[in-house]
Amino acid sequence: DIVMTQSPDSLAVSLGERATINCKSSQSVLYTSNNKNYLAWYQQKPGQPPKLLIYWASTRESGVPDRFSGSGSGTDFSLTISNLQAEDAAFYYCQQYHGTPPTFGQGTKLEIK
Amino acid sequence: QVQLQESGPRLVKPSGTLSLICTVSGASITTNNWWSWIRQPPGKALEWIGEMYPSGSTSYNSSLRSRVTISMDKSKNQFSLHLNSMTAADTAVYYCARRSAADAFDVWGQGTMVTVSS
Repeated sequence: DIVMTQSPDSLAVSLGERATINCKSSQSVLYTSNNKNYLAWYQQKPGQPPKLLIYWASTRESGVPDRFSGSGSGTDFSLTISNLQAEDAAFYYCQQYHGTPPTFGQGTKLEIK
Repeated sequence: QVQLQESGPRLVKPSGTLSLICTVSGASITTNNWWSWIRQPPGKALEWIGEMYPSGSTSYNSSLRSRVTISMDKSKNQFSLHLNSMTAADTAVYYCARRSAADAFDVWGQGTMVTVSS
């Protein structure tokens, strides 16, 4: 199985500032046939299901604010949240679907100062 | 708007079988999507259990393959999860979800907490 490792486990960032969460996969999640990285990012708030934010490493899901951006390729990826708002406080997970089973990172807790 | 809703027992006895149903509304389950089950133990990360395609094809997590079955009832627009030989380690929130063409899970049910206890 592909292991997804996120860093940091938690971070606290001030309102209006920028937060960056990293995700590293144990093997490449890039499909060379279509040059797409099968890497997604989710936001999860307490008592709610995960919400898809980003897919193909950098494509925002419909309705997701452009403050959320994804980058990276191969094995190293980042989720950046700019101009942090209070409602961005949540857990964030990366997930790969290059291979079966799809696997998730352990999660990163984002707190807003 | 596509919506998914899990239903089933909240408490299962050790060695028993969990049976959950996911009811899909706002879209036909026969569309070209994989329909998945994912779980999350309390305070832990998400774990993919398996999925089914309308053609009948299934794919399961190898860690659970010997205990899991996913099926589909197209007439009811539902798909189901059966997980046998339950132990305390299977206590978790169980989600049903749709896997999009981009291979991300774009629609999720609200989740149902299942506790394994006598």
